[in-house]
Amino acid sequence: NAGVTQTPKFQVLKTGQSMTLQCAQDMNHEYMSWYRQDPGMGLRLIHYSVGAGITDQGEVPNGYNVSRSTTEDFPLRLLSAAPSQTSVYFCASSPVGQGGIHEQYFGPGTRLTVT
Amino acid sequence: KQEVTQIPAALSVPEGENLVLNCSFTDSAIYNLQWFRQDPGKGLTSLLLIQSSQREQTSGRLNASLDKSSGRSTLYIAASQPGDSATYLCAVIGAGSSNTGKLIFGQGTTLQVKP
Repeated sequence: NAGVTQTPKFQVLKTGQSMTLQCAQDMNHEYMSWYRQDPGMGLRLIHYSVGAGITDQGEVPNGYNVSRSTTEDFPLRLLSAAPSQTSVYFCASSPVGQGGIHEQYFGPGTRLTVT
Repeated sequence: KQEVTQIPAALSVPEGENLVLNCSFTDSAIYNLQWFRQDPGKGLTSLLLIQSSQREQTSGRLNASLDKSSGRSTLYIAASQPGDSATYLCAVIGAGSSNTGKLIFGQGTTLQVKP
């Protein structure tokens, strides 16, 4: 299994541009999520999904959109990039058992710079 | 509001030492606690997951304990090696967030193991 994969690894955008960060997992996990990691702020949840067709907002959703049309893919869209969105973005996935969400597995990250 | 603290922020030890990393959380009502490792410029690697009903989990040279009543978890690393050098992150899911999977992260402890 490849686990959780993310593309691209690095990206530079100009203010106002839009782009999509890709995330895929091959473990048939129901749950997927997006975090951003910033110095001094740690990791914060942006959006999450508990299954195909179901998404919800996390702690810092403004400026980001998500969709979940398949179990495998969970893309994150930046609608109009701003310098405040310069960050490292991580995608994660987890199986969902009887008790709820289990161990979470993270991808390698996308480093985004907005100028 | 749940807050997670990791002390110390940095630790340097000689190879072969046994060491303990500390994690504390302010709200004892947690769903689970997960320890991660992050190498510079890389993603998060899951080390151990402890459910709220468990007291400890072991994997190889790693042992994680959980004391919910005191709001503490420790990660014990036996016979440390230079390859253990990384940042170790502790994260909890609050009992009320089990359906969102929202991980609340500490700031991490950066470990350096000297040969």
